[in-house]
Amino acid sequence: SQQGEEDPQALSIQEGENATMNCSYKTSINNLQWYRQNSGRGLVHLILIRSNEREKHSGRLRVTLDTSKKSSSLLITASRAADTASYFCATDARSSASKIIFGSGTRLSIRP
Amino acid sequence: ETGVTQTPRHLVMGMTNKKSLKCEQHLGHNAMYWYKQSAKKPLELMFVYSLEERVENNSVPSRFSPECPNSSHLFLHLHTLQPEDSALYLCASSHQIQGTLYGYTFGSGTRLTVV
Repeated sequence: SQQGEEDPQALSIQEGENATMNCSYKTSINNLQWYRQNSGRGLVHLILIRSNEREKHSGRLRVTLDTSKKSSSLLITASRAADTASYFCATDARSSASKIIFGSGTRLSIRP
Repeated sequence: ETGVTQTPRHLVMGMTNKKSLKCEQHLGHNAMYWYKQSAKKPLELMFVYSLEERVENNSVPSRFSPECPNSSHLFLHLHTLQPEDSALYLCASSHQIQGTLYGYTFGSGTRLTVV
């Protein structure tokens, strides 16, 4: 399976601290995406990084991709209470680009 | 609103009922998806439609029947469901160009409870 696996499963940090989540996957990919989901709601696309990119930034988000290790990380800097959510990585396989498969997610809690 | 609208937001149905979930997007996307999200499980891809043609059916039981009449609408017809089918059903759409996927846009989901 090409499913991404996030690590840790749950993370609790103090507001203002940085949060780092990791994702590992199994097969060659075209791109890797990160999504956020607030409780019981749909997922929101955060950032997409292509297999030929190593790092990407969007506001307080920084994503890295290491294709040799088949891993990615999502860093949220200066966390806020509103960042409390579940975060998922998703990959599409080069062999089947018509779909993406999600990992199990990291549940992030920001303490005030 | 994300541009992908799902109705209804909540649905309670008996095991003998027939109901349908609806998804609509006007983002100009050419691919649409149904995902199932159960408690403490990863999102499960159910069906993929690309250019209105079903290209993926992930061994979903026949009590779930998708329909994609055009590129803007996607339905999931439900009949004789089981209590374990209770979950959040998410619709998503995306733009696919020459086999390359771009970010998905998700609807808010339909919370389904089977009693």
